[in-house]
Amino acid sequence: DAGVTQSPTHLIKTRGQQVTLRCSPKSGHDTVSWYQQALGQGPQFIFQYYEEEERQRGNFPDRFSGHQFPNYSSELNVNALLLGDSALYLCASSWDRGSASDTQYFGPGTRLTVL
Amino acid sequence: GEDVEQSLFLSVREGDSSVINCTYTDSSSTYLYWYKQEPGAGLQLLTYIFSNMDMKQDQRLTVLLNKKDKHLSLRIADTQTGDSAIYFCAESITPYNQGGKLIFGQGTELSVKP
Repeated sequence: DAGVTQSPTHLIKTRGQQVTLRCSPKSGHDTVSWYQQALGQGPQFIFQYYEEEERQRGNFPDRFSGHQFPNYSSELNVNALLLGDSALYLCASSWDRGSASDTQYFGPGTRLTVL
Repeated sequence: GEDVEQSLFLSVREGDSSVINCTYTDSSSTYLYWYKQEPGAGLQLLTYIFSNMDMKQDQRLTVLLNKKDKHLSLRIADTQTGDSAIYFCAESITPYNQGGKLIFGQGTELSVKP
């Protein structure tokens, strides 16, 4: 049973470009959240998707957008990349009707470097 | 407001106990979590505690919660070199999997020396 998978593993872009990151949740999970982890910092919540809709959003500009597909996989899109967008982007999945005692799975992340 | 603070570094000898501390500011925090991150990897949930609990023990891990001081600690007994990693404290007002976002601290880098 595969856990949370993310692609690509690493990505290098230049300022002003656009990027799409992908996440497949753990089997049986229907909720996907995205976090940005800058070097030396804790992860910061970007947004969460459930039933193909954005359910909650953190303090990130509109350049950050997402999508969830009927199979529960998700994409994170970032437009007009800035140097400060360089970070590890983490995807986490869970089952909406679960409880806090259920394990919340994080993927290995996508390392984005903006030059 | 939402803010979680941790000390940045901790160094211990193998076999000793490690205590990692965390303070949070949101008094409405209901769920508090400890995550482990090894180099180049994602986050692994170690344990969690509800705000109506004072203590939770899970094998070598003991979590203590002081709600009055908004202080959370993680004690690792008999620390091993494989425990070397970055440990994150996180808070949530609602459960993560019921729409609640996680607010993370900056992480404490634990170094275990043989």
